Amino acid sequence: GQSLEQPSEVTAVEGAIVQINCTYQTSGFYGLSWYQQHDGGAPTFLSYNALDGLEETGRFSSFLSRSDSYGYLLLQELQMKDSASYFCAVARTAGNKLTFGGGTRVLVKP
Amino acid sequence: GAVVSQHPSRVICKSGTSVKIECRSLDFQATTMFWYRQFPKQSLMLMATSNEGSKATYEQGVEKDKFLINHASLTLSTLTVTSAHPEDSSFYICSARGGPSDSPLHFGNGTRLTVT
Repeated sequence: GQSLEQPSEVTAVEGAIVQINCTYQTSGFYGLSWYQQHDGGAPTFLSYNALDGLEETGRFSSFLSRSDSYGYLLLQELQMKDSASYFCAVARTAGNKLTFGGGTRVLVKP
Repeated sequence: GAVVSQHPSRVICKSGTSVKIECRSLDFQATTMFWYRQFPKQSLMLMATSNEGSKATYEQGVEKDKFLINHASLTLSTLTVTSAHPEDSSFYICSARGGPSDSPLHFGNGTRLTVT
């Protein structure tokens, strides 16, 4: 089977840094993606890692270690609008369907 | 960027009726679309992969006769929930890739289905 584990909830204050870890066990691995979803909205793409290392996109960065079956999403300079759920997702082959983790609910407080 | 449009955004229907949800790729062609279901505060669960011009591929445990998928063109896939029951009430979201196989999934805005 496929499983992706991530913390269920994280609370932080504005301006802080939050790291959301994701460990996965899948039969086949092509890449790790991260999506953000606000309540009632659609998931939106944040970042993608196919190779080991860090990918930086503005305030958000994502890291992957294929040997450890582990990745993380780093949210820097937190803003109130960053309060949302964040999902890691794995594609087992190119162009294949994504399997999502359970999601991490991030609550940003003033 | 790639845009996926989903309609309707909300629908309320009575038990026993059928509901059709449309998913369109507005500025790109999508040979494959994916249908997900999401319960409140839970993850996205893949229901099926919709393939243009061929039968959909359903995930284990998803009733293909209840959730009918039609991918009639490169820009349109539909999900029909047949003989809906209250337990079918959920958030249904479609998605498609707007480029090569490693390009990200773009999601529609979802359909909130409530069966009374």
